[in-house]
Amino acid sequence: DVKVTQSSRYLVKRTGEKVFLECVQDMDHENMFWYRQDPGLGLRLIYFSYDVKMKEKGDIPEGYSVSREKKERFSLILESASTNQTSMYLCASSLLDRAIYGYTFGSGTRLTVV
Amino acid sequence: QQPVQSPQAVILREGEDAVINCSSSKALYSVHWYRQKHGEAPVFLMILLKGGEQKGHEKISASFNEKKQQSSLYLTASQLSYSGTYFCGTDPNAGGTSYGKLTFGQGTILTVHP
Repeated sequence: DVKVTQSSRYLVKRTGEKVFLECVQDMDHENMFWYRQDPGLGLRLIYFSYDVKMKEKGDIPEGYSVSREKKERFSLILESASTNQTSMYLCASSLLDRAIYGYTFGSGTRLTVV
Repeated sequence: QQPVQSPQAVILREGEDAVINCSSSKALYSVHWYRQKHGEAPVFLMILLKGGEQKGHEKISASFNEKKQQSSLYLTASQLSYSGTYFCGTDPNAGGTSYGKLTFGQGTILTVHP
C-alpha cells in the first residue's frame, strides 16, 4: 500500500513564526498536493507539484509557499504564521495525470496558531 | 469554484439507503468520491470518468451525468461502518493536462445508527 506520511499530527505555533509542514510518500507518485480542511468549507487546494522543483498555485496560496527538492517529499511553508491559518492540513499524492487511481492522503496535521 | 454537495448531512438507521449529490458549474473530465472517518485521512472510493459507465462495488455505487455536470453516490442497505463525511472531488474538462488537481465539495456528513 502507498503511504503518505505527514511529520506531525498536532502543532502549536505562535503568530509570526515560520512553520514547516513535511509530507513524504513512498510509492514514486508524480503528483503531490497540499489542502487545508475547514468545517463547512471542505478541502481547498493550497499548492500542488507535478514534478521535482515544479509547483503551481492552487486556489488559496496566499501566505504559503512550497518546496519539492526530491520526488518523495513535498513541504508546505507558512512564511509568517497567522491565526487565520489555524486549520487541518492534508497532504495527498497521486499517480499519473488526472489522478485516475485516486488520491492517497496523509493523516493530516492539525495546526493551531496562537 | 467548488462543486456543491447535497444534502449537507444525512442520518440513517442501519439498512436504510442514501443518495449524496455533487453538482458542478463546469464541464467535468472526472468525479472522485472519498470517505473520511472522524480523525482519519480521506479514503478514495471510486472515480467516474467522462464517457464511462456507472461504477460501484458491493453496496456503494455512483453515477455521472456529464450533460448536467452532476454525480450521485448511492449507499444501499447502510452499515454502521458507512458513517463519515463524504466528499466529491472534480477534475474539469479543460484542454491539456490537469495533473490530477481536484476541487472538492464541502462534504456530506453521514451518520448511521443501529
